[in-house]
Amino acid sequence: DTEVTQTPKHLVMGMTNKKSLKCEQHMGHRAMYWYKQKAKKPPELMFVYSYEKLSINESVPSRFSPECPNSSLLNLHLHALQPEDSALYLCASSLRDLDEQYFGPGTRLTVT
Amino acid sequence: SQQGEEDPQALSIQEGENATMNCSYKTSINNLQWYRQNSGRGLVHLILIRSNEREKHSGRLRVTLDTSKKSSSLLITASRAADTASYFCATDAGGGSNYKLTFGKGTLLTVNP
Repeated sequence: DTEVTQTPKHLVMGMTNKKSLKCEQHMGHRAMYWYKQKAKKPPELMFVYSYEKLSINESVPSRFSPECPNSSLLNLHLHALQPEDSALYLCASSLRDLDEQYFGPGTRLTVT
Repeated sequence: SQQGEEDPQALSIQEGENATMNCSYKTSINNLQWYRQNSGRGLVHLILIRSNEREKHSGRLRVTLDTSKKSSSLLITASRAADTASYFCATDAGGGSNYKLTFGKGTLLTVNP
């Protein structure tokens, strides 16, 4: 299984809602990532988990809360988002930090 | 910023022609990677080239790396309509627990049938 899955594919939420994005991989990868991508822009790193521990937080606002329950799962909890947070949220994983990253198809988030 | 800069920003060619995209970066790297992204979807890893390598091939892809000029190029030979996508170079920064990739702005390649 060389796939990273993300759910949901699309999400529309109001500014007062609480929602979660889910990412899963069964490749035995020990590093997992969340990226945010706006239209016609490159992916921007948000968080890195290495061996289930948060190793990098790129000064992301606290309304985004990551969680790594186990080595195969990565969640991104969303609360009180702003319309400018609307974007494609990509999850990725890699065997180790310096290796190539495998990306999921992303969750298209719209905040109304 | 370590962010790579791709050149050109957009490239339109006919099927069967070769496509060359360039990437420049600013600081020392461990490796440089190239990714492809079809419209609105996840990225697909193409090639990873390490700082001590100068050239790497994978099928119709050829990547070069010149660390003295801090630049890399991606050549796609005999292009196909299915190669239409955005192509990003990604450079690494930091080490140990601070390792991360930074993506360049990308080149939008359109291959016309």
